[in-house]
Amino acid sequence: EVQVVESGGGLVQPGGSLRLSCAASGFTFTSHWMNWVRQAPGKGLEWVANIKQDGSEKYYVDSVKGRFTISRDNANNSLYLQMSGLRAEDTAVYYCARDSYWRYGMDVWGQGTTVTVSS
Amino acid sequence: DIVMTQSPDSLAVSLGERATIHCQSSQSVLHSSNNEKYLAWYQQKPGQPPKLVIYWASTRASGVPDRFSGSGSGTDFTLTISYLQAEDVAVYYCQQYYTSPYTFGQGTKLEIK
Repeated sequence: EVQVVESGGGLVQPGGSLRLSCAASGFTFTSHWMNWVRQAPGKGLEWVANIKQDGSEKYYVDSVKGRFTISRDNANNSLYLQMSGLRAEDTAVYYCARDSYWRYGMDVWGQGTTVTVSS
Repeated sequence: DIVMTQSPDSLAVSLGERATIHCQSSQSVLHSSNNEKYLAWYQQKPGQPPKLVIYWASTRASGVPDRFSGSGSGTDFTLTISYLQAEDVAVYYCQQYYTSPYTFGQGTKLEIK
């Protein structure tokens, strides 16, 4: 079964750090760009970052540049999002999503992991 | 950044009727290299992750019923659901993947009238 499963969410204080993980299975991980997308409570979707198959290209939404780092471990079929300098506005469900092979959209999504930034 | 604007914000349609959702991009998402429109539609039901419904503006994703269709030009796009079914109740998002950041529209909540 093709799937991605996120983990690592939790409650963190403002200014703190957290590392999200995404375990991929059932497909050739090294053939796909991978993404992180978030959704604040009751709000819409916001694309956060993506990374090329070999990790050589990474892109971020402006609001997380310099604070979040996307990475991947192809040997272990895993995607990561290192988050630091967390703010209340980073509170959201974070989804790991696979880019389709021909990059026409995100065709596999996880169930999400919840990050809450609060004192 | 490319701004995606959907209309309406919410929509109530009777079962069996047609639902139409619009999406406008602040600049063209038509890629000259392959003449494809880099526009996708996603469906998100309560408590679930999004699901890819339409890509290249008009191609149905695998397993999506043929009552879903997409159309549009370089900046104006439409998602149409013919013969609305109860299971189509969801929030629908358009997204451009022409250039980073891959921006989404604000979403359109579709309900049964």
